[in-house]
Amino acid sequence: DQQVKQNSPSLSVQEGRISILNCDYTNSMFDYFLWYKKYPAEGPTFLISISSIKDKNEDGRFTVFLNKSAKHLSLHIVPSQPGDSAVYFCAASDGRGGGADGLTFGKGTHLIIQP
Amino acid sequence: DAGVTQSPTHLIKTRGQHVTLRCSPISGHKSVSWYQQVLGQGPQFIFQYYEEEERQRGNFPDQFSGHQFPNYSSELNVNALLLGDSALYLCASRFQGPLYGYTFGSGTRLTVV
Repeated sequence: DQQVKQNSPSLSVQEGRISILNCDYTNSMFDYFLWYKKYPAEGPTFLISISSIKDKNEDGRFTVFLNKSAKHLSLHIVPSQPGDSAVYFCAASDGRGGGADGLTFGKGTHLIIQP
Repeated sequence: DAGVTQSPTHLIKTRGQHVTLRCSPISGHKSVSWYQQVLGQGPQFIFQYYEEEERQRGNFPDQFSGHQFPNYSSELNVNALLLGDSALYLCASRFQGPLYGYTFGSGTRLTVV
């Protein structure tokens, strides 16, 4: 039972254009959503997060949108740069507190930025 | 400032053996989590330690156990290794709340033959 789904295994975008990565979830108890980026042979790197009480969070070129009613979130990267080529993971936590906030990850989307 | 460090980086073990993986979190980070990542999948949550106590556990059997020491470093132990335990094992630590994200180490690549 996959609670966090990233239905696009890969995405190719031209440099300078907008990259939109999508994520769906099924668990309504999720309180926090995070995006991670992963290069080969490295651990995932935290990019941006959003709380379930918000619908948008922006940090530089990265914006995350959350639609709670649709149980959907998306990551927008504008403008896309060659260094953005990586695997992007969507993750969620039910934030139960007490130091218990294990993340549930999607399978990832491989973003390829074309020159 | 050193990041999350994991040792060893690579390891080959035989079925049925036991393995211990180690993690040193970023200085001051009290929360440490372990994840298993197999090829083509996202990381799967194994368990989380905070102030030396296991606070949450994912859907992993008792074959997987762990420990957190007073200096917040952590170990992941896997008994009776199976071929299916071959994976990248990731350790992550954080200081503040979950919205600030976890910092991951580069992982230990375990191969069971």
